[in-house]
Amino acid sequence: GENVEQHPSTLSVQEGDSAVIKCTYSDSASNYFPWYKQELGKRPQLIIDIRSNVGEKKDQRIAVTLNKTAKHFSLHITETQPEDSAVYFCAAAIGGYQKVTFGTGTKLQVIP
Amino acid sequence: DSGVTQTPKHLITATGQRVTLRCSPRSGDLSVYWYQQSLDQGLQFLIQYYNGEERAKGNILERFSAQQFPDLHSELNLSSLELGDSALYFCASSVRQGELNEQFFGPGTRLTVL
Repeated sequence: GENVEQHPSTLSVQEGDSAVIKCTYSDSASNYFPWYKQELGKRPQLIIDIRSNVGEKKDQRIAVTLNKTAKHFSLHITETQPEDSAVYFCAAAIGGYQKVTFGTGTKLQVIP
Repeated sequence: DSGVTQTPKHLITATGQRVTLRCSPRSGDLSVYWYQQSLDQGLQFLIQYYNGEERAKGNILERFSAQQFPDLHSELNLSSLELGDSALYFCASSVRQGELNEQFFGPGTRLTVL
């Protein structure tokens, strides 16, 4: 089955700096890569996603890049703010059944 | 609010017992997914239903079972509970199977097995 590895497991940055979280996947059939943000005690919420026919997608301070050949994708957060502090999960899915495999999460701390 | 509801919010029970978790998807969503999130762990996909039928299975134990009813709500049954089953159980829903669309998560049910 699919295996998703996510690094780093924890990340501390100063407010205003950039944060990068990286994931790799194993199944070349995966074609959908969402990123979720989970604040303490709350539900995961989709923040951005990318499909396999796209190499990069941006939404304000958040961007995701995908390298299908290398089977890795990354989340980039620029101009980080304290409210960005949360756990971020990457995931890979095969569209037909939407079976989603999540990475193990990255705890991001933005220091004011 | 995602529109996905889960009951109960919290559940405390003893080892060996059986519990049922309930999920109501967003209006119009046909697909329901169940996930388990243990303390400081990631999300483990358990099972997916689409319009009443099981469509994908993940790391779901044999002691666990689920179903989706004609009104599209879903129940996750956990039996012969063990201490290690203590976790946050999320339900998520999406519009259709076969399309790359967002999953909306419910608030979760926190299960504590004593």
